[in-house]
Amino acid sequence: EVQLVESGGGLVQPGRSLKLSCAASGFTFSDYNMAWVRQAPKKGLEWVATISYDGSSTYYRDSVKGRFTISRDNAKSTLYLQMDSLRSEDTATYYCARQRGVVYRGYFDYWGQGVMVTVSS
Amino acid sequence: NIVLTQSPATLSVTPGESVSLSCRASQSISTSIHWYQQKSNESPRLLIKYASQSISGIPSRFSGSGSGTDFTLSINRVESEDFSIYYCQQSYSSLNTFGAGTKLELK
Repeated sequence: EVQLVESGGGLVQPGRSLKLSCAASGFTFSDYNMAWVRQAPKKGLEWVATISYDGSSTYYRDSVKGRFTISRDNAKSTLYLQMDSLRSEDTATYYCARQRGVVYRGYFDYWGQGVMVTVSS
Repeated sequence: NIVLTQSPATLSVTPGESVSLSCRASQSISTSIHWYQQKSNESPRLLIKYASQSISGIPSRFSGSGSGTDFTLSINRVESEDFSIYYCQQSYSSLNTFGAGTKLELK
């Protein structure tokens, strides 16, 4: 059974950093592209970033470029999202998702349960 | 950027009715559209990929159609567990945008 379990969320002040993790199991992690998708409270879904199966390619939405870094450790079957210079508009539930298709363009076939990030002073 | 417009925003139905949810793209995206269901306080679940391709484990009452700019998610004979929010997502461009969602509610 595919499982994606996020951790690392919490309350953080504007301008500070936070690192999210996503532990994967039930599939060969190193075979799949992975992504982060977020959802602000009472809002819709928003793709954040994607990393290729081998970590060689990464893609970001414009609003997080230069502030967020997606990475992975295939030996640990773990996906990460380093979030720096956080803003109030980054407040959201962050989902880890497995992405199928052409690297940064595809659909999300499995999702984690999500982790809440609140950026507030 | 490709904008996806979902309509209606809210659809009120009674169990047993059949419904169609619309997703319109701001430019042609071939069949690069995918549909998700999100129940309250749960993660999204993939229902349909590439406009009309079924997903293992998803009930057969869910089906998708369309190409170009107009897409439809159909639910044949809505069941009580189907009341939730439905999102479309495009993978034609690199931005992987989602629509704003259609809420299917009990009438």
